[in-house]
Amino acid sequence: GAGVSQSPSNKVTEKGKDVELRCDPISGHTALYWYRQSLGQGLEFLIYFQGNSAPDKSGLPSDRFSAERTGGSVSTLTIQRTQQEDSAVYLCASSQLTGTLVEQYFGPGTRLTVT
Amino acid sequence: QKEVEQNSGPLSVPEGAIASLNCTYSDRVSQSFFWYRQYSGKSPELIMSIYSNGDKEDGRFTAQLNKASQYVSLLIRDSQPSDSATYLCAVRINDYKLSFGAGTTVTVRA
Repeated sequence: GAGVSQSPSNKVTEKGKDVELRCDPISGHTALYWYRQSLGQGLEFLIYFQGNSAPDKSGLPSDRFSAERTGGSVSTLTIQRTQQEDSAVYLCASSQLTGTLVEQYFGPGTRLTVT
Repeated sequence: QKEVEQNSGPLSVPEGAIASLNCTYSDRVSQSFFWYRQYSGKSPELIMSIYSNGDKEDGRFTAQLNKASQYVSLLIRDSQPSDSATYLCAVRINDYKLSFGAGTTVTVRA
């Protein structure tokens, strides 16, 4: 079946502009995660959505970052007034929250470059 | 103390040898453990999951879990150049969240 999809694959924007990144999870997966991976760095958790529950926003680095998930499926991560330090790969993952394992599957990512 | 620790490497092994990667974690109640492979410029790909003590084998990969010692390892047998990648260890820390290690870079020499 289809995996997690993300768009755009690459985004170059000027400092101060707003950007929107999109994630379409695996069909039937109720949990959706956003991560950030800076060059040569590990995965940084940003936000988690599960059904109609309140999202876990504990990883969002500043109030310039926000995310929403409409209809329990597609999610959009918005970064307002982008800064050069926002340059990174933004990864989306989805999961079924059943059983012990809770395996997360990643999309291909969006490479964001802020000039 | 970091939740999940891995040796950053690089780990260089000759083709056909066994690559051994180790990961330790701090939360004794963690229940599920994962290994992801990440090629340069690509996203992480799940290659192994384990939650019971002992060994779990899948093709050339074997995951080993020891909850008493709080470590999980990954063995790659008959290493191939295509195994050259960064391997991320991940530990489930609550109902839904994973904590990731920084990754071990593996280079397989032809």
